Amino acid sequence: GQQLNQSPQSMFIQEGEDVSMNCTSSSIFNTWLWYKQDPGEGPVLLIALYKAGELTSNGRLTAQFGITRKDSFLNISASIPSDVGIYFCAGCGPMEYGNKLVFGAGTILRVKS
Amino acid sequence: DTAVSQTPKYLVTQMGNDKSIKCEQNLGHDTMYWYKQDSKKFLKIMFSYNNKELIINETVPNRFSPKSPDKAHLNLHINSLELGDSAVYFCASSQERGTGRPGELFFGEGSRLTVL
Repeated sequence: GQQLNQSPQSMFIQEGEDVSMNCTSSSIFNTWLWYKQDPGEGPVLLIALYKAGELTSNGRLTAQFGITRKDSFLNISASIPSDVGIYFCAGCGPMEYGNKLVFGAGTILRVKS
Repeated sequence: DTAVSQTPKYLVTQMGNDKSIKCEQNLGHDTMYWYKQDSKKFLKIMFSYNNKELIINETVPNRFSPKSPDKAHLNLHINSLELGDSAVYFCASSQERGTGRPGELFFGEGSRLTVL
């Protein structure tokens, strides 16, 4: 089955630092997405990427859809305490897998203020 | 207004019991899902329904039975609960067909099931 390898597993950073996390797969995906889960809540979509090579920003967040369609990264600039949470990458497609969404194992982000 | 709401938020029960979790979405979406999040926070899809029709049924014990009375509701019934069923169960919905934007899911707050 499809699997996503997400790294790092966890990060403990100083407020104000930039953060980078990534996801790789041996399978090709048509869509890459990044979700954030706050404690006690469900995941919330941060960024969705639909074209290979696409670079998209959402405030302090920047994500890219790798040109090979097998990887994606998420950067967070100038981290703040409310960035704390679990970040999940997710890949969707291809069609032979029924456009099913597959999640990475998550990156736990902790921020020291 | 809560977009995807699930009840109960917490459920503590004994092994062998039967329990249900209910989910409702007011987003007008066609597709609804159940995901299981284990103690290591790994999210795994269990079921997906599109317009009341089952479209994804992962390798889940048949003690788990989803039911979608209409496209706004997707309930999960679990028979003969086991210790390993303890997890957080998330309901989600999406509007994928015709939007060209697959994978954009809206999740509920989760239902934490503890089996003793």
